Amino acid sequence: DTGVSQDPRHKITKRGQNVTFRCDPISEHNRLYWYRQTLGQGPEFLTYFQNEAQLEKSRLLSDRFSAERPKGSFSTLEIQRTEQGDSAMYLCASSLGQGRGGRDIQYFGAGTRLSVL
Amino acid sequence: SQQGEEDPQALSIQEGENATMNCSYKTSINNLQWYRQNSGRGLVHLILIRSNEREKHSGRLRVTLDTSKKSSSLLITASRAADTASYFCATAGILQGGSEKLVFGKGTKLTVNP
Repeated sequence: DTGVSQDPRHKITKRGQNVTFRCDPISEHNRLYWYRQTLGQGPEFLTYFQNEAQLEKSRLLSDRFSAERPKGSFSTLEIQRTEQGDSAMYLCASSLGQGRGGRDIQYFGAGTRLSVL
Repeated sequence: SQQGEEDPQALSIQEGENATMNCSYKTSINNLQWYRQNSGRGLVHLILIRSNEREKHSGRLRVTLDTSKKSSSLLITASRAADTASYFCATAGILQGGSEKLVFGKGTKLTVNP
């Protein structure tokens, strides 16, 4: 399977614990995105990497959230001191990076569903 | 905040019928995209229509765009049970480096009954 891979698929944690999710993009894609989706809503943009550089972060990404893409390949999203409001589906997407104007389709992984008890 | 608003929120039809979903947005756009999401899964890109296009086809999908009304529609013809999913429209906000962040609506939940 050469699509976007996310791990784990499901995570249940207690409030206050730290969690880390991993995303492996499509191998030749240099752009990587994280989105968050709550029940009944569309995904919302969190952050974006071009190669290893984190170029943009949404104001949704509080200080408890950190994302890395150390070698420009896989990425991790860590949430510290989880809260019940963090319960959501966390989606990763990647794109080839062929410029702007809609020539750069984003391909999504299956997501990590986080439940904070 | 979400840019697009899909209508209806939910749609239930019989297999073989056509399904039409609408999307309205607020700001000017370079392009508009439609995605499908099966329950609990990631999103699958269906079709992209640029702001200078009025209609686009892909298999059983037909998308229209009316920039004067800031609206788009997705038509699925001859629906199948496998088309059951949520459908989202997405507009694009420009990011540093030339990429785009997708801004999604709340989606239309389509159920196709066999």
